[in-house]
Amino acid sequence: DAGVIQSPRHEVTEMGQEVTLRCKPISGHNSLFWYRQTMMRGLELLIYFNNNVPIDDSGMPEDRFSAKMPNASFSTLKIQPSEPRDSAVYFCASSLGENQPQHFGDGTRLSIL
Amino acid sequence: QKEVEQNSGPLSVPEGAIASLNCTYSDRGSQSFFWYRQYSGKSPELIMSIYSNGDKEDGRFTAQLNKASQYVSLLIRDSQPSDSATYLCAVKGGSYIPTFGRGTSLIVHP
Repeated sequence: DAGVIQSPRHEVTEMGQEVTLRCKPISGHNSLFWYRQTMMRGLELLIYFNNNVPIDDSGMPEDRFSAKMPNASFSTLKIQPSEPRDSAVYFCASSLGENQPQHFGDGTRLSIL
Repeated sequence: QKEVEQNSGPLSVPEGAIASLNCTYSDRGSQSFFWYRQYSGKSPELIMSIYSNGDKEDGRFTAQLNKASQYVSLLIRDSQPSDSATYLCAVKGGSYIPTFGRGTSLIVHP
């Protein structure tokens, strides 16, 4: 079975550029999560979608970050403009139901120069 | 604010020993508990789920849950160097959003 698929795996770009991260959740999963992980702050929840609707975006750092889920099989996380402090590993995860575990994608390692 | 606490470690155990990883949580309404393993540079991988008080065994792994004391633990029997990783505890309290601990680093030395 295909797991959560994220692209790109690595992204290196210059400060000020737009960055778009992509995620395909596991088929049939109705919840999708975007996380950011750094050594300093650990795993941080950025935004959570349920049935394609954003439910909790309180973790989104600032207006430079935006996320969309146009359909059940695709989500994007966009950073515009990007800053060096956005450098981190970004994970997408999906889950099947309220008390079900999350399954993580391989992540996108983002470096902003 | 819901909190999940783990000792950051590192926890160092010899090969073949039992590794014991602990996690405490603050939300008494928590219903679902998960252990993830994360190798360096990789994504978190689900290894155990537990929902009821008591023990749940899966191969060399045993998860233990005590809701009255608000802790969940993970035992790894016959530890192997390949078990060296960071172990994340995650707790869900009747919602879709889990709270993750910061993780415990485990080192299994030959």
